[in-house]
Amino acid sequence: DQQVKQNSPSLSVQEGRISILNCDYTNSMFDYFLWYKKYPAEGPTFLISISSIKDKNEDGRFTVFLNKSAKHLSLHIVPSQPGDSAVYFCAATPQGAQKLVFGQGTRLTINP
Amino acid sequence: DAMVIQNPRYQVTQFGKPVTLSCSQTLNHNVMYWYQQKSSQAPKLLFHYYDKDFNNEADTPDNFQSRRPNTSFCFLDIRSPGLGDAAMYLCATSSGTYEQYFGPGTRLTVT
Repeated sequence: DQQVKQNSPSLSVQEGRISILNCDYTNSMFDYFLWYKKYPAEGPTFLISISSIKDKNEDGRFTVFLNKSAKHLSLHIVPSQPGDSAVYFCAATPQGAQKLVFGQGTRLTINP
Repeated sequence: DAMVIQNPRYQVTQFGKPVTLSCSQTLNHNVMYWYQQKSSQAPKLLFHYYDKDFNNEADTPDNFQSRRPNTSFCFLDIRSPGLGDAAMYLCATSSGTYEQYFGPGTRLTVT
């Protein structure tokens, strides 16, 4: 049973517009939620995180929103830039556990 | 630059022939992880070391073993690779917080 799900395998957005990546989870016992970005031939790199007690965290062009009642989080990128084209993974840390549970990833393509 | 290094980047092995993947880190982190990622799937945690303490995931096959001889190095041993073990293997480290730092991965092909 997959606890973290990204239901959109791909997303295409025009440069300068907003990109919204979505993630759903089934387990309420997660402490933190994270977004990782992955370029081809590289490992995932940490992008932004949010504690389960918050509902929003912002870092420059990146904002993560957490809706605990819907068990849903989203990553907003605005404005989108060509360098944002990558695979984005949503991940979560179970309470008291030293590990990450990942979603399947969403491939974001920013079109000029 | 502090980093996580994985060698080799690409590994080809024969069905049933033992193979070892290597990970090293210069971050001096006490936790090291091994993930398996198959095509278009989520990275899946195989096991991790907290210092010298080994933590195996319940569904990790016995075919997969790991060694951590010191803080800097961690190895993934696949005793008898099957075709289903072809995947990207990712090593990651953390200082005990939720944030993990990943290496570039080793792509394993089984022929």
